[in-house]
Amino acid sequence: DAGITQSPRHKVTETGTPVTLRCHQTENHRYMYWYRQDPGHGLRLIHYSYGVKDTDKGEVSDGYSVSRSKTEDFLLTLESATSSQTSVYFCAISLGTNQPQHFGDGTRLSIL
Amino acid sequence: KQEVTQIPAALSVPEGENLVLNCSFTDSAIYNLQWFRQDPGKGLTSLLLIQSSQREQTSGRLNASLDKSSGRSTLYIAASQPGDSATYLCAALIQGAQKLVFGQGTRLTINP
Repeated sequence: DAGITQSPRHKVTETGTPVTLRCHQTENHRYMYWYRQDPGHGLRLIHYSYGVKDTDKGEVSDGYSVSRSKTEDFLLTLESATSSQTSVYFCAISLGTNQPQHFGDGTRLSIL
Repeated sequence: KQEVTQIPAALSVPEGENLVLNCSFTDSAIYNLQWFRQDPGKGLTSLLLIQSSQREQTSGRLNASLDKSSGRSTLYIAASQPGDSATYLCAALIQGAQKLVFGQGTRLTINP
């Protein structure tokens, strides 16, 4: 969908390990976003990027870091994963601030 | 703090009916409102985006309306089909912040 690839699609890991999720786009969109989706909380913004090396925090950024060294790639890193970070993570892209956001298929992450 | 609410949480209707999904938001200072559908285990598919200056948008059998003064948006689905079964989410883009605030969604089932 909309040229967005998330990897891996599924991951199981242990508490305390580092985890990196990748979002790759082929649309040359300026904006990229990371969300998490949890029952009872819906979708919440973790971090977003408005250009190469330009990122900002969302509402649930604690415990997460991001990097964007190329237009097409946006990485989300959990430095030391905790069980509370078990979730489905979605990447989204958009052309501009007032343009539709398009989502990838998600990464299901389980922290044991 | 912007809050987005979707009621009901679930809706089941027979095939062929016209139906309306509701979305309400507490702060009228929004850039736009976007409607998505989400199929089980999948990402979000953008359906319609209404800019704050617009009253409605149409795409095929879908029509979305926006009334900022009352803090409401509706998604009208004409001649519903079983393939319309999915969870429908609305999200408001807050002015002055790069943040989509999502509702919890309405799970729609169309019965053949």
